[in-house]
This record gives sequence, structure tokens and C-alpha cells, in this order.
Amino acid sequence: AQSVTQPDIHITVSEGASLELRCNYSYGATPYLFWYVQSPGQGLQLLLKYFSGDTLVQGIKGFEAEFKRSQSSFNLRKPSVHWSDAAEYFCARKAAGNKLTFGGGTRVLVKP
Amino acid sequence: DSGVTQTPKHLITATGQRVTLRCSPRSGDLSVYWYQQSLDQGLQFLIQYYNGEERAKGNILERFSAQQFPDLHSELNLSSLELGDSALYFCASSVAEVFADTQYFGPGTRLTVL
Repeated sequence: AQSVTQPDIHITVSEGASLELRCNYSYGATPYLFWYVQSPGQGLQLLLKYFSGDTLVQGIKGFEAEFKRSQSSFNLRKPSVHWSDAAEYFCARKAAGNKLTFGGGTRVLVKP
Repeated sequence: DSGVTQTPKHLITATGQRVTLRCSPRSGDLSVYWYQQSLDQGLQFLIQYYNGEERAKGNILERFSAQQFPDLHSELNLSSLELGDSALYFCASSVAEVFADTQYFGPGTRLTVL
């Protein structure tokens, strides 16, 4: 079955430092990939998506992600994190039947 | 704000009871999806409706059912509730059911079964 893996359960980063969250997807045709963010007590907000074309995708809040087919990865990055970026981040892919299959999530803690 | 609304925000009930969760999609969206987020299972797809018709089913228990009404709002009915049904239930909507459609999520309903 098509799956999504986020190897890091928790990441702690200092405010102002760079952030990279890893996401790997299993086999399949060109995947439709997404990153969502869930702030404490909030719903899921779409950060960015990749369908095709340019492999470097820009999103909201200063985030970007790079699709690398050779590594089956779609890692999320931000050059300089803010305290408000503390949240849980989910990578997801479209699966058969139009549903989203999510990774387990990565919780980001931001140190002052 | 995604434009997807869900009510209620919180629900506390007892085992064996039945509850109904409500979702209103973004204006113009025809597809509605339900997801469950629990500590042990993570985020899992439950069911999808498109313009009133069921289109796809995921890991939805037989005790759970859903429908989408002519005004496109959707309800998820959970019956004979068990402790393990405690979770955050999300509704999402998309314009149609094209594979490239993006799903926008509501704020969720947190269900606590005591």
C-alpha cells in the first residue's frame, strides 16, 4: 500500500535557526504530495503541495519543500524559524479513491 | 480560516451513546471527507461524499455512518460509542473529486467518551 513516513517524531530547534522536516513516500506513480501544519488546538492548515513541474515548491509562512524522486522524499524547510512555528507538521499524499494518506507527524518545539 | 466549519467543537459523552458531528464545506465545494485523528492510529481517512453520494470508504467502523445532504453539509454519526472512539474528527472539503483537488480542513470536533 502507498504510505508516507516521517522519520522524526520530535524536533527541537532554536528560534532563528533553520528547520528541515523529512518525509518519505512509498512506491507509485508521480505522487501528489502535501504538507499540513496543526497548531495546538487547531485544525490542519495547508502549507504547500506538489503535483508536478518544478521540484522546489514555495508555500505559506516562508516554508518550501523539495521533491526528490530518486530519494522518494519531499522534505519541508524553513530558513529561519519563529516561535509561532511550534506545531505538528504532517506530510500527506493522495491515494486511490482521492483520500489523503498521512505520515505520523513531526512535532516541532522552538527554543527561545 | 479554511472556510470549512464543524460543530460542535467539543463533545463529551458516555459509552454506548450516539452522537452526530456536523460539517459545512467551503462555498462551492462538492466533496466532503471525514478523517479521524487518534493517538494510536494517527490521521486516518474514514469516508468521502461527493454531491450527496458516497464515493470512498476507508477504515470506518460499522457503528459509524455518514451522509451528505442536498445543501452539501455532511453529518458523521457515531453510535454505540466506546472509549477508543475518543479522538479528533476532521472534516475536509474540495471542489470536486479530481485527483489533483486540494482538501481544506475544518477545525475538528474533539470527542471524549467517558
